Amino acid sequence: KAGVTQTPRYLIKTRGQQVTLSCSPISGHRSVSWYQQTPGQGLQFLFEYFSETQRNKGNFPGRFSGRQFSNSRSEMNVSTLELGDSALYLCASSYGETQYFGPGTRLLVL
Amino acid sequence: QQQVKQSPQSLIVQKGGISIINCAYENTAFDYFPWYQQFPGKGPALLIAIRPDVSEKKEGRFTISFNKSAKQFSLHIMDSQPGDSATYFCAASLTYNFNKFYFGSGTKLNVKP
Repeated sequence: KAGVTQTPRYLIKTRGQQVTLSCSPISGHRSVSWYQQTPGQGLQFLFEYFSETQRNKGNFPGRFSGRQFSNSRSEMNVSTLELGDSALYLCASSYGETQYFGPGTRLLVL
Repeated sequence: QQQVKQSPQSLIVQKGGISIINCAYENTAFDYFPWYQQFPGKGPALLIAIRPDVSEKKEGRFTISFNKSAKQFSLHIMDSQPGDSATYFCAASLTYNFNKFYFGSGTKLNVKP
């Protein structure tokens, strides 16, 4: 089976812009989670979707949002980008309790 | 409040030696404890995981030791190899909490040849 794919892999944006990141889970996986990884804060949970419904949410401002489509593909959106949003954004798909991570999208906000 | 605390931040081990990474957790309701390995430019990959009903789990050279009363768990890498050089993360979750994992801060392991 193909692994979790994330697009784009790298992105450069300026403050105030918005960005949309995409994640395609492993075939058959209906749960998709998003994490932000930074050197200072480590891996922090953003939200989790299952069958197009957000089931869980981390402690991030409302500028961070997501959605999941009927084919389980997921997108996350960050509006009004801030310098501190520069990070590696990881998507993970799950079947049961095991999470499989994608390679991430590295976002740089200038 | 940091739910999972991991130490050390970095670790240097000679080839063939034992690497030990420790984690402590706060929430006694956590019931699933995985360890992840991450290489530069890659996402974390599940290495091994344990539930609190067992005190130890071994898979090849990797062993998790779990101490429920102390709320601690550790990863032991036996016969460490240069290819094991990576960042290791411990994590904890509640099964009913829908894949919300709390991660430790990571340990960068360097195995010297």
